[in-house]
Amino acid sequence: GAVVSQHPSWVICKSGTSVKIECRSLDFQATTMFWYRQFPKQSLMLMATSNEGSKATYEQGVEKDKFLINHASLTLSTLTVTSAHPEDSSFYICSGGVTTQYFGPGTRLLVL
Amino acid sequence: QKEVEQDPGPLSVPEGAIVSLNCTYSNSAFQYFMWYRQYSRKGPELLMYTYSSGNKEDGRFTAQVDKSSKYISLFIRDSQPSDSATYLCAMSAAGASGNTPLVFGKGTRLSVIA
Repeated sequence: GAVVSQHPSWVICKSGTSVKIECRSLDFQATTMFWYRQFPKQSLMLMATSNEGSKATYEQGVEKDKFLINHASLTLSTLTVTSAHPEDSSFYICSGGVTTQYFGPGTRLLVL
Repeated sequence: QKEVEQDPGPLSVPEGAIVSLNCTYSNSAFQYFMWYRQYSRKGPELLMYTYSSGNKEDGRFTAQVDKSSKYISLFIRDSQPSDSATYLCAMSAAGASGNTPLVFGKGTRLSVIA
């Protein structure tokens, strides 16, 4: 199957700082990638659709100014959590693929 | 009513047992059905993918889809401790390509006891 990587795998930051998470497709080109968020013992909730070369599409209730998404190339999408707060602490996962979707290993964010 | 319902468990079975995991859904437009396995603190891993109704078998895993009942199942035969994970069902109406977002169930936590 396709390989999706994420970096960093975990990050701890102070409240008010910004955190950037990278999602890379290693063996395929992705015009579209998805960003999900998963709280403990909850399912994956779609946050936004990342479109190469154009603006991301955000799900209802997700603040686009807080969660900045950039998809500047066919192999890289980034999610920046701006002015992070403790309630943003979660597991962030990206996905992409060609014939089906494959998920990255996730990034665990802890905001103190 | 949520679009996809899945019993979160936890489900605990002895090694070697047959495990049955299920999801129900309300959107009759769903045509593509997937099962993902997620180990703790890892990203989901695709296990099975089926289109429309019917069965699909892959090794110890069998996926079943009954569109008339809006019900999908995953069976694991000869379960092993290494199968202990959370199993998520996912589905979509517009395909299962990389361009289609998926709707997930909550996931069922499975523990296989040696």
